[in-house]
Amino acid sequence: QSVLTQPPSVSAAPGQKVTISCSGSSSDIGNNFVSWYQQLPGTAPKLLIYGNNKRPSGIPDRFSGSKSGTSATLDITGLQTGDEADYYCGTWDSSLSAGRVFGGGTKLTVL
Amino acid sequence: EVQLMQSGAEVKKPGESLKISCKASGYSFSSYWIGWVRQMPGKGLEWMGIIYPGDSDITYSPSFQGQVTISADKSINTAYLQWSSLKASDTAMYYCARLLPPFDFWGQGTLVTVSS
Repeated sequence: QSVLTQPPSVSAAPGQKVTISCSGSSSDIGNNFVSWYQQLPGTAPKLLIYGNNKRPSGIPDRFSGSKSGTSATLDITGLQTGDEADYYCGTWDSSLSAGRVFGGGTKLTVL
Repeated sequence: EVQLMQSGAEVKKPGESLKISCKASGYSFSSYWIGWVRQMPGKGLEWMGIIYPGDSDITYSPSFQGQVTISADKSINTAYLQWSSLKASDTAMYYCARLLPPFDFWGQGTLVTVSS
């Protein structure tokens, strides 16, 4: 059971917008930065968003992140078939068992 | 260019030992934490632990403490993940990743298969 809760799957048509949620607690998301990772089929994860809403160089602005309280959201606009992937949120857990934590992952299907 | 190059796939029997590697290039290896992440077949990402090669400071996830050993050799810019006695349940893809934070660069993964 992951510390951070994500929906197992989301879907939308090409060109549409999709939102992926990530829910945590005050010991993780509530007091730490959130990052998002994209894992295309058969490949290693890739950093998509860091610091709640910042994009690394080369990540298109179709991808955006936000955080409010103990939840975070990844928005993807102008969906493309190439966006089909698993998406994971991640943050730091400030509790006694401190460490990095990930969400369970959300599979995005572009219909 | 930052690169993390992991060792190749392994097929082992239960009870055997194993050490896989992650060779870094393109940045100051000693100055950044490196983490290990497990992905079991069809499952999500699990953080295993991190090491700071500069002084070999290590933090393990409670879930993996005592199950694996993380180490690093800064003279050859390489981090390691090792098992003393593999179990079938260790079958997974293992990734190393540089911790900025966050995990900004990832290795290509090492597939470990444990089967009798």
